[in-house]
Amino acid sequence: GAVVSQHPSWVICKSGTSVKIECRSLDFQATTMFWYRQFPKQSLMLMATSNEGSKATYEQGVEKDKFLINHASLTLSTLTVTSAHPEDSSFYICSAKRETIRYEQYFGPGTRLTVT
Amino acid sequence: AQSVTQPDIHITVSEGASLELRCNYSYGATPYLFWYVQSPGQGLQLLLKYFSGDTLVQGIKGFEAEFKRSQSSFNLRKPSVHWSDAAEYFCAVGGQAGTALIFGKGTTLSVSS
Repeated sequence: GAVVSQHPSWVICKSGTSVKIECRSLDFQATTMFWYRQFPKQSLMLMATSNEGSKATYEQGVEKDKFLINHASLTLSTLTVTSAHPEDSSFYICSAKRETIRYEQYFGPGTRLTVT
Repeated sequence: AQSVTQPDIHITVSEGASLELRCNYSYGATPYLFWYVQSPGQGLQLLLKYFSGDTLVQGIKGFEAEFKRSQSSFNLRKPSVHWSDAAEYFCAVGGQAGTALIFGKGTTLSVSS
């Protein structure tokens, strides 16, 4: 159990367009999901915390108007990269928090975004 | 400040030799500690985790890690490395309340034959 999926697994878009990435918890409910970003050969950096039914909390330096997060249900959070630029090209990974005794987190497989 | 330090950027180990990857953390509360492995272009795979109790934790693929509170360390070990272990390894720390994880910069493991 505790599977998290992401869709799409990879996407190529043109500069100036928007792209939506979905993060789903398949077999558990997640009131909280996290979005991370990973540049090539670098570590994962937290972008934002997504809470079901409320506004996301963004980390310092992350543009909330550029990276729109919607956590509309207990199993789905979406990240929309608006007006994408080549510098937005990255690997985006979500995780979902499962509220068991220890609040374990489960990571999705990631989405590779390439902006041309 | 909360942080994770992986001092070794790149390690090369001969196949069959033992491995130790270092991880030091700084965290204001009781830490939950994790080791993940990532192959190129892939997502994260959880190797093992420490929440409490026995400080020597066994994970998948023959990996183990030891939590040493006095040294703020959580080093990953494997007695005999296989070529398929070549990958990027990340140490991470989180809190009991289920906060987002803080990752180290990672250690690239190469395995020579």
